[in-house]
Amino acid sequence: KNQVEQSPQSLIILEGKNCTLQCNYTVSPFSNLRWYKQDTGRGPVSLTIMTFSENTKSNGRYTATLDADTKQSSLHITASQLSDSASYICVVSGTSGGSYIPTFGRGTSLIVHP
Amino acid sequence: DGGITQSPKYLFRKEGQNVTLSCEQNLNHDAMYWYRQDPGQGLRLIYYSQIVNDFQKGDIAEGYSVSREKKESFPLTVTSAQKNPTAFYLCASNPGLGNPGELFFGEGSRLTVL
Repeated sequence: KNQVEQSPQSLIILEGKNCTLQCNYTVSPFSNLRWYKQDTGRGPVSLTIMTFSENTKSNGRYTATLDADTKQSSLHITASQLSDSASYICVVSGTSGGSYIPTFGRGTSLIVHP
Repeated sequence: DGGITQSPKYLFRKEGQNVTLSCEQNLNHDAMYWYRQDPGQGLRLIYYSQIVNDFQKGDIAEGYSVSREKKESFPLTVTSAQKNPTAFYLCASNPGLGNPGELFFGEGSRLTVL
């Protein structure tokens, strides 16, 4: 069964500090991995996408890494801001009969304090 | 602007009543999805549709029904058979299941059963 595990479940940091969120997956065959940001009461918004051949991808203060051998990904947030407070969801897509089926992690809830 | 519109944002229902959540997209996407989100859990797939007049059950379809009469519309009906319908419902779209493109989400509909 395809699974996506995220850690930690929740994280509290001070404004300006860095943090790293983890994602482990057992989705096979692997197609791509996305990190989404979901503000409270809103729909998720894509931050990054990574395919099998990519190791690192940045989007402003967000940097995602992927190790396809160990099936692990991380999302690093640099110089956190209050607006970074949200849930971060790791979504891994596999393929089945030519279709791309996403599997969602439960998310990491990040709170940034002033 | 292109995007996905869900309505209503908040909905209250008495036990035993059916309720329909609206989802409209102007992105010209073929695939549309309905997800349910509960606190501390990942998104769970209710139904998805790859093309007009066709839809498939997801992991938790019992107590729900959908229709796809138009490409841009994918309404979800929560029936009285759904035992625990209080949740946050998210509609999403994608260019097509054969395309590993980004899932675009609506802003969600929060259903509360009184």
